[in-house]
Amino acid sequence: AQTVTQSQPEMSVQEAETVTLSCTYDTSESDYYLFWYKQPPSRQMILVIRQEAYKQQNATENRFSVNFQKAAKSFSLKISDSQLGDAAMYFCAYRSGGNTGNQFYFGTGTSLTVIP
Amino acid sequence: KAGVTQTPRYLIKTRGQQVTLSCSPISGHRSVSWYQQTPGQGLQFLFEYFSETQRNKGNFPGRFSGRQFSNSRSEMNVSTLELGDSALYLCASSLGTNTGELFFGEGSRLTVL
Repeated sequence: AQTVTQSQPEMSVQEAETVTLSCTYDTSESDYYLFWYKQPPSRQMILVIRQEAYKQQNATENRFSVNFQKAAKSFSLKISDSQLGDAAMYFCAYRSGGNTGNQFYFGTGTSLTVIP
Repeated sequence: KAGVTQTPRYLIKTRGQQVTLSCSPISGHRSVSWYQQTPGQGLQFLFEYFSETQRNKGNFPGRFSGRQFSNSRSEMNVSTLELGDSALYLCASSLGTNTGELFFGEGSRLTVL
């Protein structure tokens, strides 16, 4: 089974600074998708960014970008110009690319604090 | 377009009771997945339904069950509740294709006393 590991239970960043959240995964598959989800306190989880494994180019969404290292099975999230609203729990997730259903594997999350 | 709706949002039960949680997916989404979220464990996959059929099942005991109706609405049931079942239960819907992202509801927070 696939596993997703987030080794940083908590991180903090000064407002306007840059922070990188780490994620590694283990799989024998070649076709898959990776995601970062954000869960603000007492609010629903929303998608931050996604990466298709077959794409070499790293995904970018405004202030959010990823560093996807397929060989190393690493998928880190970089948040630039951090804002107070970025404070949340961040989950890294993996999904198989085949037609095997819609099962996602999540890491245990990283709690991000933004310091004013 | 309305998002994923879960009811009830909060509930308290005692050991041995059973509970039913409901999830209404985004209109047009045919896949509904359920996850259990507990502190330190992240999200654990319970099961996924697609067009009224269970397509995937996680590693949970048989006390956890679910179903999906023809309108894609889904319910999950937990019987003979245990203290360890206290968690946030998240429902997520998607189109069901192999490239789709998950859209989450706000969750149902279950406390078992």
